Amino acid sequence: SAVISQKPSRDICQRGTSLTIQCQVDSQVTMMFWYRQQPGQSLTLIATANQGSEATYESGFVIDKFPISRPNLTFSTLTVSNMSPEDSSIYLCSVARSRYQETQYFGPGTRLLVL
Amino acid sequence: AQTVTQSQPEMSVQEAETVTLSCTYDTSESDYYLFWYKQPPSRQMILVIRQEAYKQQNATENRFSVNFQKAAKSFSLKISDSQLGDAAMYFCAYRSGWRDDKIIFGKGTRLHILP
Repeated sequence: SAVISQKPSRDICQRGTSLTIQCQVDSQVTMMFWYRQQPGQSLTLIATANQGSEATYESGFVIDKFPISRPNLTFSTLTVSNMSPEDSSIYLCSVARSRYQETQYFGPGTRLLVL
Repeated sequence: AQTVTQSQPEMSVQEAETVTLSCTYDTSESDYYLFWYKQPPSRQMILVIRQEAYKQQNATENRFSVNFQKAAKSFSLKISDSQLGDAAMYFCAYRSGWRDDKIIFGKGTRLHILP
């Protein structure tokens, strides 16, 4: 498995502002992913963070709203831009050591409340 | 498209008893992986158990075992000797064996342990 940390662990933000969430892994991994978990719901994949290239977004998610960076093999950020109360969710980072490693390991999540 | 269905939103079990959580999935692929993840209240999501579709033998991890019925596309989780620490949301998940890296999650089953 991998040790994954996320910052901040939680935050309360005002609508119209932006928040950047960091994900740090204790070792190099090929694949990093960002998920959203709305209150009482399952996980939905936002995007795959690609090192050295633009992230790959799932249907319904766009780069302008959720810009993602992946400067190296141990770190990624997700920004939630121009927030509204509907963005209140848990945002989770997950990793897989290689493209063909089927198991993903999850970070502790960032709880975001938008007022 | 692949789908994962968990038909039991909530379940309860007496401490030390055995409980089975249900999961069905739909896919046209022959090579895939199935997972059960556990998400305790306000805590990190962790992998409980995984099953490779090409293996006929059911996976086991200590008190956790699965009943994998490939033809029926069923993947249930059995928890034996339930403990208070087993109280959590349990997510069944599917990943293609070759097509892409995305994990598809079911809606989850919240498990309550009664002392």
